[in-house]
Amino acid sequence: NAGVTQTPKFQVLKTGQSMTLQCAQDMNHNSMYWYRQDPGMGLRLIYYSASEGTTDKGEVPNGYNVSRLNKREFSLRLESAAPSQTSVYFCASSRTGGRNTGELFFGEGSRLTVL
Amino acid sequence: QQQVKQSPQSLIVQKGGISIINCAYENTAFDYFPWYQQFPGKGPALLIAIRPDVSEKKEGRFTISFNKSAKQFSLHIMDSQPGDSATYFCAASGPTAGNQFYFGTGTSLTVIP
Repeated sequence: NAGVTQTPKFQVLKTGQSMTLQCAQDMNHNSMYWYRQDPGMGLRLIYYSASEGTTDKGEVPNGYNVSRLNKREFSLRLESAAPSQTSVYFCASSRTGGRNTGELFFGEGSRLTVL
Repeated sequence: QQQVKQSPQSLIVQKGGISIINCAYENTAFDYFPWYQQFPGKGPALLIAIRPDVSEKKEGRFTISFNKSAKQFSLHIMDSQPGDSATYFCAASGPTAGNQFYFGTGTSLTVIP
């Protein structure tokens, strides 16, 4: 059972380049999330998808787009990367997204450097 | 605006001692308060969680104390071990808060043998 799988694990981009971070979960979870982790800032929510077919902005959505491709997959796209987007990105999923809040399961992270 | 405030930023404890990490929140719509543990190079993993209908929850050496009136909750690690050395995040969530998880800024715990 793989849980939450993120690709790639490492990426170096030049300013202005674009890229997509992929995330897939095999736990049949309804909700999926993208966070970024920066030193001293904790985990900040970029976008989330409460269920298949819906996406919503989190705390720090600027410069990012997302696609909930199906129930399993949730991708994060950087259209024109900036050095401020250098970070560790985590995808997460949870079983419920409605009135009952469930446990978040995280992937191992994607380490992105923008030069 | 930080929805969940966490302290201290770092903590050094001797083996066998008690580690205490504190968090405070403002939004009374939160009704789920988990703690996550993260080892270097890994994603966070759920350690223990509490809902506001109880004031304390214990799982092995880990205890959450919850004070609803003060809007504070804390993690206590009893008999701390070197293997507990990790970063700990508190978080808060709730359906009427958009069902988002809001995380504290993290505490780096080092347990000295």
